[in-house]
Amino acid sequence: QVQLVQSGTEVKKPGASVKVSCKASGYTFTSYDINWVRQATGQGLEWMGWMNPNSGHSGYAQRFHGRVTMTVNTSIRTAYMELSSLRSEDTAVYYCARVGGSIDSWGQGTLVTVSS
Amino acid sequence: DIQLTQSPSSLSASVGDRVTITCRASQGIRNDLGWYQQKPGKAPKRLIYSASILQSGVPSRFSGSGFGTEFTLTISSLQPEDFATYFCLQHNNYPPLTFGGGTKVEIK
Repeated sequence: QVQLVQSGTEVKKPGASVKVSCKASGYTFTSYDINWVRQATGQGLEWMGWMNPNSGHSGYAQRFHGRVTMTVNTSIRTAYMELSSLRSEDTAVYYCARVGGSIDSWGQGTLVTVSS
Repeated sequence: DIQLTQSPSSLSASVGDRVTITCRASQGIRNDLGWYQQKPGKAPKRLIYSASILQSGVPSRFSGSGFGTEFTLTISSLQPEDFATYFCLQHNNYPPLTFGGGTKVEIK
């Protein structure tokens, strides 16, 4: 079955960067985009961007431009999302998600806490 | 970008009640809409895709309808395990993806 397994909880100071990984299994990794979505506590879901593992192309939501980078390592079937210049408002659970039309599979989520 | 307006933002209902949640798109999105359920501390789970197709393994009390700009998710007879937050997601002009604001279904 399709599985997306994310890296563990992170605690970062303001101004630092965080890199979250998402390891895929159970399907052809290069056939589906990986998207990243975040959710602050008690809030809705916010789309951050997409990455095509086959072409390496990516695109980001305007509000994250310049701060987010999405990459993949196809040899180990893993996608990465790096967010820089962290601030307290970036405290959230970050999800990777497989897009086949709409989102059909989600990672378990990675809590990133930004605190001094 | 396409906006999704979901209503209500919360509702209280009893076991056995029929529940309807609405999602309105700011422009036509054909049937490029899905519905998801999320429980506290868990990743979302897809219930419906292409507006009306039931995801494999999802109970038949869940149904979706709509096309263009107005969509509904209906739970025909609310069960205890259905108390959760529900949200819609459109992918018509992907990228980007757009989420509705969510509806929290609570026990009356």
